[in-house]
Order: sequence, then C-alpha cells, then structure tokens
Amino acid sequence: QKEVEQDPGPLSVPEGAIVSLNCTYSNSAFQYFMWYRQYSRKGPELLMYTYSSGNKEDGRFTAQVDKSSKYISLFIRDSQPSDSATYLCAMSPYNNNDMRFGAGTRLTVKP
Amino acid sequence: EAGVTQSPTHLIKTRGQQATLRCSPISGHTSVYWYQQALGLGLQFLLWYDEGEERNRGNFPPRFSGRQFPNYSSELNVNALELEDSALYLCASSLGHDDAFFGQGTRLTVV
Repeated sequence: QKEVEQDPGPLSVPEGAIVSLNCTYSNSAFQYFMWYRQYSRKGPELLMYTYSSGNKEDGRFTAQVDKSSKYISLFIRDSQPSDSATYLCAMSPYNNNDMRFGAGTRLTVKP
Repeated sequence: EAGVTQSPTHLIKTRGQQATLRCSPISGHTSVYWYQQALGLGLQFLLWYDEGEERNRGNFPPRFSGRQFPNYSSELNVNALELEDSALYLCASSLGHDDAFFGQGTRLTVV
C-alpha cells in the first residue's frame, strides 16, 4: 500500500463546476498537508498549506483535512479553464522535509 | 525576485555515464530539496540539504548524491546512469520550515 493514494484521473469538468480532489494516507505521523498545482512542463506551485484538521479557504480554493480518517481534499469553486493542470497532494511529518506526494490528478476545465 | 532556477533544462546521457544537475535557490533560502518525478510514479523525495549539510535522504541508491555550496546552491550527481533514471528532477528551496518553492526541473533522458 502506498503511503499516499491519489486518484490520477483524468478529471474533466465544465467551466463553473465545483471540483473535488482527494487523497488518502496511511502514515499517522503526517502533520503537514499541502496541495500543489503543476502546469505542463512546469515545476509544482504551492496552492494551499495546512497542519491541522478542518477547513482552510483561499479565494476559490478550500483545503480540508480529516486526520481521524486520514483523508484530505481540495475543492475548487467556479472552476476556470486556467485551472486545468495536474494537482498534487503532499504531506510530511516535519514540514517540507521528506514530503510524500500523491500521484497527481490531471484536471481539465472545459470552456 | 528570481525563483528557484535549475540547469540544464534538458540533459541526455548514455547508460553508465554520470549526470550533474544544478539548482540555485531563492535568495535567502537555506534549504534545498531534490525530487525525482518519473512518469507514472509521482514525485519521490531524494535529498534535503540545509546549511551545507545533508539532513535527510530518500529511498534511493548511493549513486544518487549531492552537495550544497556555501552560497546555498546545490548539485545533484547521478552516477552509473540507468535507463530508469530518466525523469524530471525537481529542486525546491525554503527558508527553514516555511513554504517550499519548486524550480522548473531538469529533464534527464538516459539512452
């Protein structure tokens, strides 16, 4: 079993839809949870960062962490074609050091 | 402010050769992380350098090595290249436990 499981998709939604991206994990030591966005031929870009259970909102993005279920989610409201990218969840016991990534979900938002 | 820069952008080597990849962190960042992003495998943690010292290492053989220079730039060396070493190698930098920012990566192809 992988430490971090993420459905690779691909996921295709119409513009304006609410997108839900999810990861599960098995290591209870993970304390820091991140979501990265990676456009084609680019490096990953940090979107959201949290270290506690609950919700964190930033504009159209909401990150949700449920440590009891070992489950994290990223919601994108009013999705735009510019959101089309691969979304990677990442987690670490020590913040940045030895981050474990999910396989990434490829998202396409169609106009 | 310049982001994390990596060189070269692309590198083609033959099996058995050595490859050297370079990373310049964001000015002021003291930590550098190296990741391998192979097709279908997601990002795998390779190495973490901080203040010139190797702080942690992922599950990779010893032929993957590196160093961090006094100016905090870093080098990743891969000896005795194998075909499966073909991947995108990503460098990230951070200041302490703050957010990590990724470079664009070096695409290594082993033929």
